[in-house]
Amino acid sequence: DAKTTQPDSMESTEGETVHLPCSHATISGNEYIYWYRQVPLQGPEYVTHGLQQNTTNSMAFLAIASDRKSSTLILPHVSLRDAAVYHCILRVYSGGSNYKLTFGKGTLLTVTP
Amino acid sequence: EAAVTQSPRSKVAVTGGKVTLSCHQTNNHDYMYWYRQDTGHGLRLIHYSYVADSTEKGDIPDGYKASRPSQENFSLILELASLSQTAVYFCASSGTGGSGQNTLYFGAGTRLSVL
Repeated sequence: DAKTTQPDSMESTEGETVHLPCSHATISGNEYIYWYRQVPLQGPEYVTHGLQQNTTNSMAFLAIASDRKSSTLILPHVSLRDAAVYHCILRVYSGGSNYKLTFGKGTLLTVTP
Repeated sequence: EAAVTQSPRSKVAVTGGKVTLSCHQTNNHDYMYWYRQDTGHGLRLIHYSYVADSTEKGDIPDGYKASRPSQENFSLILELASLSQTAVYFCASSGTGGSGQNTLYFGAGTRLSVL
């Protein structure tokens, strides 16, 4: 039970801005939203995370809905190197001072020249 | 640069044999994790540890044991390997609690084939 729902795949063209949606309708108040991406034959790579406010870094912009039931990872001006599986994950409290990140299948982003 | 190193990178094992996958991190992180990934699926948490000499069960611990002899090292042990354990295994480390402190840093993975 990944607790998040993402489309299986999305397609884009180089230079476009891509919006990757994620639904987390049962999110709890203290659960952070994390995004990772994974290319073939490598481990996942951290992209960004947030709790309530929108966040931005050199890789992406994370837009979080006001009710926190959904979020969108925005990738500006994608290149071929951005082609990957993008995972939207919740940081779930698992007792004591422990937290878990449970990965789903993610969204396969294809980028064409 | 954070670093998580897994060994071996690939392994072929026989059914019923013992397999040990090793992970070493130089991040000075308290948390370490073992995930498995099957083709076309997401990562599933097997075991994790938040301190040396202690391990916790993840979501799919059956058939696996874990060992954390030091902060830097975390091993995954398959005492009796089975065909169903053919997968890619990822080790990761993270800091403790707080905003952003649970960012996971992953190794490159170990591709295990059980025949």
